[in-house]
Amino acid sequence: KNEVEQSPQNLTAQEGEFITINCSYSVGISALHWLQQHPGGGIVSLFMLSSGKKKHGRLIATINIQEKHSSLHITASHPRDSAVYICAVPPNFGNEKLTFGTGTRLTIIP
Amino acid sequence: DVKVTQSSRYLVKRTGEKVFLECVQDMDHENMFWYRQDPGLGLRLIYFSYDVKMKEKGDIPEGYSVSREKKERFSLILESASTNQTSMYLCASSGGGQGEKLFFGSGTQLSVL
Repeated sequence: KNEVEQSPQNLTAQEGEFITINCSYSVGISALHWLQQHPGGGIVSLFMLSSGKKKHGRLIATINIQEKHSSLHITASHPRDSAVYICAVPPNFGNEKLTFGTGTRLTIIP
Repeated sequence: DVKVTQSSRYLVKRTGEKVFLECVQDMDHENMFWYRQDPGLGLRLIYFSYDVKMKEKGDIPEGYSVSREKKERFSLILESASTNQTSMYLCASSGGGQGEKLFFGSGTQLSVL
């Protein structure tokens, strides 16, 4: 089973700050998922990436396959970015049964 | 707009009751999943289905069963609910390819008293 570690567990920042959330995993994978969960429970898939970098608006996700590490960055953070961010990986190459990190709770203060 | 719909947002049941949680997706996805989410433990896979009438156990299948009679519908069954099954239950679906994006329902908060 792939072990997933996220850091930090909790993060509080001022509006406008640059945010970085980290995810490390133990077994080589085909793709890594970043998810966002707002209060109330709904989960949205932000990114799925297998190499390099992806950007969507103020969100940027990077992955280093050799180091088994991914980061999610938020530029010019806003209170509406407050949510739990979760990374998820398959147990090995090509398997759909994901293992999820425990999440990073982000709070952006106006 | 793509949708995964869970039948109930909140549910309260008594110990020993049989509980059905329903999930419907409108994206013609092959894969459907049931997860439970508990504080500090993250999302854990209960069961997974990759086709009609096909299912695989996830990490924590004990006390649960599933049914997939039609492609769009995946049901989670608690045969005899217990208090340790109080949790948030999330359904998800994805296409058939490797590493496909996941789409989640809004979740069912189940309380077993």
